[in-house]
Amino acid sequence: QQQVKQSPQSLIVQKGGISIINCAYENTAFDYFPWYQQFPGKGPALLIAIRPDVSEKKEGRFTISFNKSAKQFSLHIMDSQPGDSATYFCASHAGGTSYGKLTFGQGTILTVHP
Amino acid sequence: DAGITQSPRHKVTETGTPVTLRCHQTENHRYMYWYRQDPGHGLRLIHYSYGVKDTDKGEVSDGYSVSRSKTEDFLLTLESATSSQTSVYFCAISLTGTNGYTFGSGTRLTVV
Repeated sequence: QQQVKQSPQSLIVQKGGISIINCAYENTAFDYFPWYQQFPGKGPALLIAIRPDVSEKKEGRFTISFNKSAKQFSLHIMDSQPGDSATYFCASHAGGTSYGKLTFGQGTILTVHP
Repeated sequence: DAGITQSPRHKVTETGTPVTLRCHQTENHRYMYWYRQDPGHGLRLIHYSYGVKDTDKGEVSDGYSVSRSKTEDFLLTLESATSSQTSVYFCAISLTGTNGYTFGSGTRLTVV
Protein backbone atom coordinates (compact mmCIF):
# COMPACT_ATOMS: atom_id res chain seq x y z
CA GLN A 1 0.00 0.00 0.00
CA GLN A 2 1.28 3.42 -0.88
CA GLN A 3 2.16 5.38 2.23
CA VAL A 4 3.08 8.88 3.21
CA LYS A 5 4.61 9.23 6.66
CA GLN A 6 4.35 12.61 8.34
CA SER A 7 6.13 13.92 11.41
CA PRO A 8 5.88 15.26 14.02
CA GLN A 9 2.31 14.52 15.17
CA SER A 10 2.24 17.80 17.05
CA LEU A 11 4.43 20.87 17.14
CA ILE A 12 4.56 23.88 19.43
CA VAL A 13 6.35 26.99 18.25
CA GLN A 14 6.73 30.50 19.61
CA LYS A 15 5.51 33.43 17.59
CA GLY A 16 8.16 34.45 15.09
CA GLY A 17 9.80 31.04 15.05
CA ILE A 18 10.16 28.54 12.22
CA SER A 19 7.79 25.58 11.99
CA ILE A 20 9.05 22.51 10.11
CA ILE A 21 6.92 19.52 9.18
CA ASN A 22 8.39 16.54 7.36
CA CYS A 23 6.95 13.88 5.07
CA ALA A 24 8.43 10.78 3.49
CA TYR A 25 6.93 8.76 0.67
CA GLU A 26 7.58 5.36 -0.85
CA ASN A 27 6.12 5.40 -4.33
CA THR A 28 8.52 6.86 -6.89
CA ALA A 29 5.58 7.36 -9.27
CA PHE A 30 4.25 10.21 -7.12
CA ASP A 31 4.38 13.38 -9.19
CA TYR A 32 2.60 16.08 -7.19
CA PHE A 33 3.02 16.98 -3.54
CA PRO A 34 0.50 19.37 -1.98
CA TRP A 35 0.18 20.62 1.57
CA TYR A 36 -3.20 21.29 3.12
CA GLN A 37 -4.10 23.47 6.08
CA GLN A 38 -7.15 22.69 8.20
CA PHE A 39 -8.75 24.83 10.87
CA PRO A 40 -11.13 23.30 13.44
CA GLY A 41 -14.55 22.58 12.00
CA LYS A 42 -13.44 23.27 8.44
CA GLY A 43 -12.33 21.20 5.50
CA PRO A 44 -8.66 21.12 4.50
CA ALA A 45 -7.58 23.89 2.13
CA LEU A 46 -4.73 23.75 -0.36
CA LEU A 47 -1.81 25.74 1.00
CA ILE A 48 1.09 25.14 -1.39
CA ALA A 49 2.21 22.39 -3.74
CA ILE A 50 5.32 21.25 -5.58
CA ARG A 51 6.20 18.96 -8.47
CA PRO A 52 9.40 16.85 -8.44
CA ASP A 53 11.15 18.84 -11.15
CA VAL A 54 12.02 21.58 -8.63
CA SER A 55 13.71 21.34 -5.23
CA GLU A 56 12.02 24.28 -3.55
CA LYS A 57 8.91 26.39 -3.84
CA LYS A 58 8.15 29.49 -1.81
CA GLU A 59 4.89 31.34 -1.36
CA GLY A 60 5.07 34.12 1.18
CA ARG A 61 6.08 32.65 4.53
CA PHE A 62 5.51 29.08 3.35
CA THR A 63 8.23 27.02 1.63
CA ILE A 64 8.27 23.43 0.42
CA SER A 65 11.66 21.74 0.22
CA PHE A 66 11.76 18.61 -1.91
CA ASN A 67 14.47 15.91 -1.92
CA LYS A 68 13.71 13.44 -4.71
CA SER A 69 16.60 11.09 -4.00
CA ALA A 70 15.61 10.76 -0.33
CA LYS A 71 11.89 10.66 -1.18
CA GLN A 72 11.22 13.36 1.38
CA PHE A 73 9.61 16.76 1.38
CA SER A 74 8.99 19.30 4.07
CA LEU A 75 6.96 22.40 4.84
CA HIS A 76 8.69 25.37 6.44
CA ILE A 77 6.63 28.18 7.94
CA MET A 78 8.78 31.23 8.55
CA ASP A 79 7.88 33.87 11.15
CA SER A 80 5.12 31.62 12.50
CA GLN A 81 2.01 33.44 13.73
CA PRO A 82 -0.79 32.39 16.11
CA GLY A 83 -3.11 32.44 13.09
CA ASP A 84 -1.03 29.61 11.61
CA SER A 85 -2.24 27.32 14.40
CA ALA A 86 -3.99 24.53 12.51
CA THR A 87 -3.59 20.94 11.39
CA TYR A 88 -1.32 20.43 8.39
CA PHE A 89 -1.44 17.49 6.01
CA CYS A 90 1.05 16.53 3.36
CA ALA A 91 -0.14 14.48 0.42
CA SER A 92 1.17 12.75 -2.65
CA HIS A 93 -0.39 12.11 -6.02
CA ALA A 94 0.46 9.18 -8.27
CA GLY A 95 0.63 10.06 -11.93
CA GLY A 96 -0.75 8.13 -14.84
CA THR A 97 -4.31 6.85 -14.55
CA SER A 98 -4.66 7.45 -10.83
CA TYR A 99 -7.70 9.73 -11.36
CA GLY A 100 -6.26 12.36 -9.07
CA LYS A 101 -6.21 10.21 -5.96
CA LEU A 102 -4.19 11.70 -3.14
CA THR A 103 -2.49 9.76 -0.36
CA PHE A 104 -2.35 11.83 2.82
CA GLY A 105 0.03 11.88 5.75
CA GLN A 106 -1.27 11.47 9.28
CA GLY A 107 -1.38 15.19 10.00
CA THR A 108 0.52 17.59 12.27
CA ILE A 109 -1.20 19.78 14.83
CA LEU A 110 0.68 23.08 14.93
CA THR A 111 0.27 25.44 17.86
CA VAL A 112 1.92 28.85 17.71
CA HIS A 113 2.11 30.60 21.06
CA PRO A 114 1.91 34.40 21.13
CA ASP B 1 -16.38 26.36 0.94
CA ALA B 2 -17.36 27.90 -2.35
CA GLY B 3 -18.95 25.55 -4.87
CA ILE B 4 -19.13 22.42 -2.75
CA THR B 5 -21.72 21.59 -0.12
CA GLN B 6 -22.00 18.58 2.15
CA SER B 7 -25.18 17.52 3.89
CA PRO B 8 -25.98 16.91 6.61
CA ARG B 9 -23.27 18.65 8.64
CA HIS B 10 -23.93 16.49 11.68
CA LYS B 11 -25.73 13.21 12.11
CA VAL B 12 -26.25 10.71 14.88
CA THR B 13 -27.52 7.32 13.86
CA GLU B 14 -28.00 3.89 15.36
CA THR B 15 -25.93 0.82 14.62
CA GLY B 16 -27.33 -1.19 11.76
CA THR B 17 -29.21 1.62 10.03
CA PRO B 18 -28.37 2.80 6.51
CA VAL B 19 -27.05 6.34 6.16
CA THR B 20 -26.56 8.49 3.07
CA LEU B 21 -24.31 11.51 2.93
CA ARG B 22 -24.56 13.96 0.07
CA CYS B 23 -21.95 16.01 -1.70
CA HIS B 24 -23.14 18.69 -4.12
CA GLN B 25 -20.87 20.80 -6.33
CA THR B 26 -21.57 23.72 -8.62
CA GLU B 27 -18.10 23.80 -10.22
CA ASN B 28 -18.73 21.18 -12.92
CA HIS B 29 -15.58 19.33 -11.83
CA ARG B 30 -15.13 15.87 -13.26
CA TYR B 31 -13.49 14.23 -10.24
CA MET B 32 -15.12 13.74 -6.85
CA TYR B 33 -13.85 11.94 -3.76
CA TRP B 34 -15.03 10.78 -0.37
CA TYR B 35 -12.51 10.69 2.48
CA ARG B 36 -12.85 9.95 6.15
CA GLN B 37 -10.75 11.71 8.77
CA ASP B 38 -9.77 9.98 11.98
CA PRO B 39 -7.14 10.99 14.55
CA GLY B 40 -3.78 9.42 13.80
CA HIS B 41 -4.86 8.29 10.33
CA GLY B 42 -5.09 11.55 8.44
CA LEU B 43 -7.48 11.40 5.52
CA ARG B 44 -8.22 8.06 3.94
CA LEU B 45 -9.92 7.58 0.60
CA ILE B 46 -13.23 5.68 0.66
CA HIS B 47 -14.46 5.95 -2.93
CA TYR B 48 -13.95 8.24 -5.85
CA SER B 49 -15.60 9.15 -9.14
CA TYR B 50 -14.03 10.13 -12.44
CA GLY B 51 -17.29 10.85 -14.23
CA VAL B 52 -21.03 10.30 -14.15
CA LYS B 53 -21.67 6.67 -13.20
CA ASP B 54 -17.89 6.05 -13.12
CA THR B 55 -16.79 5.18 -9.60
CA ASP B 56 -14.16 3.04 -7.93
CA LYS B 57 -13.00 1.94 -4.51
CA GLY B 58 -10.41 3.60 -2.34
CA GLU B 59 -8.35 2.11 0.47
CA VAL B 60 -11.15 1.90 3.07
CA SER B 61 -14.23 1.06 1.01
CA ASP B 62 -15.63 -1.89 2.98
CA GLY B 63 -19.12 -1.10 4.27
CA TYR B 64 -19.56 1.87 1.94
CA SER B 65 -21.10 2.37 -1.48
CA VAL B 66 -21.39 5.41 -3.71
CA SER B 67 -23.43 6.68 -6.61
CA ARG B 68 -23.05 9.51 -9.05
CA SER B 69 -26.02 9.89 -11.38
CA LYS B 70 -25.19 13.47 -12.37
CA THR B 71 -22.06 15.59 -12.42
CA GLU B 72 -22.97 17.71 -9.42
CA ASP B 73 -23.95 15.03 -6.90
CA PHE B 74 -21.89 12.28 -5.27
CA LEU B 75 -23.64 10.20 -2.63
CA LEU B 76 -21.95 8.07 0.02
CA THR B 77 -24.03 5.31 1.63
CA LEU B 78 -23.18 3.36 4.73
CA GLU B 79 -25.14 0.23 4.10
CA SER B 80 -25.44 -0.80 7.75
CA ALA B 81 -23.73 1.67 10.04
CA THR B 82 -21.25 0.41 12.64
CA SER B 83 -19.50 2.22 15.48
CA SER B 84 -16.20 1.98 13.57
CA GLN B 85 -17.73 4.28 10.97
CA THR B 86 -18.02 7.12 13.47
CA SER B 87 -15.86 9.72 11.79
CA VAL B 88 -15.74 13.01 9.96
CA TYR B 89 -16.44 12.56 6.27
CA PHE B 90 -15.10 14.95 3.66
CA CYS B 91 -16.02 15.29 0.05
CA ALA B 92 -13.51 16.79 -2.37
CA ILE B 93 -13.60 17.84 -6.00
CA SER B 94 -10.92 18.29 -8.63
CA LEU B 95 -11.14 19.75 -12.10
CA THR B 96 -8.32 17.86 -13.78
CA GLY B 97 -7.28 15.30 -11.19
CA THR B 98 -3.76 16.74 -11.23
CA ASN B 99 -4.11 20.08 -9.49
CA GLY B 100 -5.26 19.34 -5.97
CA TYR B 101 -8.64 19.33 -4.33
CA THR B 102 -11.28 21.64 -3.01
CA PHE B 103 -12.81 20.14 0.11
CA GLY B 104 -16.26 20.51 1.54
CA SER B 105 -16.84 21.46 5.18
CA GLY B 106 -17.37 17.88 6.28
CA THR B 107 -20.07 15.74 7.89
CA ARG B 108 -19.57 14.60 11.46
CA LEU B 109 -21.21 11.18 11.78
CA THR B 110 -21.71 9.43 15.09
CA VAL B 111 -22.92 5.84 15.16
CA VAL B 112 -24.32 4.80 18.56
